[in-house]
Amino acid sequence: EDQVTQSPEALRLQEGESSSLNCSYTVSGLRGLFWYRQDPGKGPEFLFTLYSAGEEKEKERLKATLTKKESFLHITAPKPEDSATYLCAALWASGSRLTFGEGTQLTVNP
Amino acid sequence: DSGVTQTPKHLITATGQRVTLRCSPRSGDLSVYWYQQSLDQGLQFLIQYYNGEERAKGNILERFSAQQFPDLHSELNLSSLELGDSALYFCASSVDTYGNTIYFGEGSWLTVV
Repeated sequence: EDQVTQSPEALRLQEGESSSLNCSYTVSGLRGLFWYRQDPGKGPEFLFTLYSAGEEKEKERLKATLTKKESFLHITAPKPEDSATYLCAALWASGSRLTFGEGTQLTVNP
Repeated sequence: DSGVTQTPKHLITATGQRVTLRCSPRSGDLSVYWYQQSLDQGLQFLIQYYNGEERAKGNILERFSAQQFPDLHSELNLSSLELGDSALYFCASSVDTYGNTIYFGEGSWLTVV
């Protein structure tokens, strides 16, 4: 069964303390790996799509990377406004729907 | 602003009732997806339409149905509502049927009492 697993479930950081979020997925047939940010009661906000192992994308303090088994979202020198739930989702070649992980709830304290 | 518009934003209704949620996709997007997000289940795919035709079906209950109209807007109909149907319902859209770069709306909060 196609699965996406995110870790940790929750992460508390101090402002400026860099860290990484992990997303592991079922290996076969991945067509794309998506990262979204979601604030409480809001829709997921698109961040990145990665398509092949070794690919990296950056946006402000965020950098997403992809290997053959997992993806990482690196957060450099985070600020309190980066507090949100970060979701990863996999798109498989067998279909067009996204399979989401459970998310990592990030809290950045000032 | 993702460009995906959903109405209503909030809805409170009683058990056994029927509601319709509406979605306008981003300009130029032909695919519309519906997802359900509840506290205990995360984001679950319900159904996808592409240019008016159903393309993929997920964990959608028989009491739920959807359609996409010629102007590409979509409606999700939820009937015989139960307390457990209370959730955030998201619409998303993408330009093609392959799911590349899917943008989400702000959701419709449904509370069944």
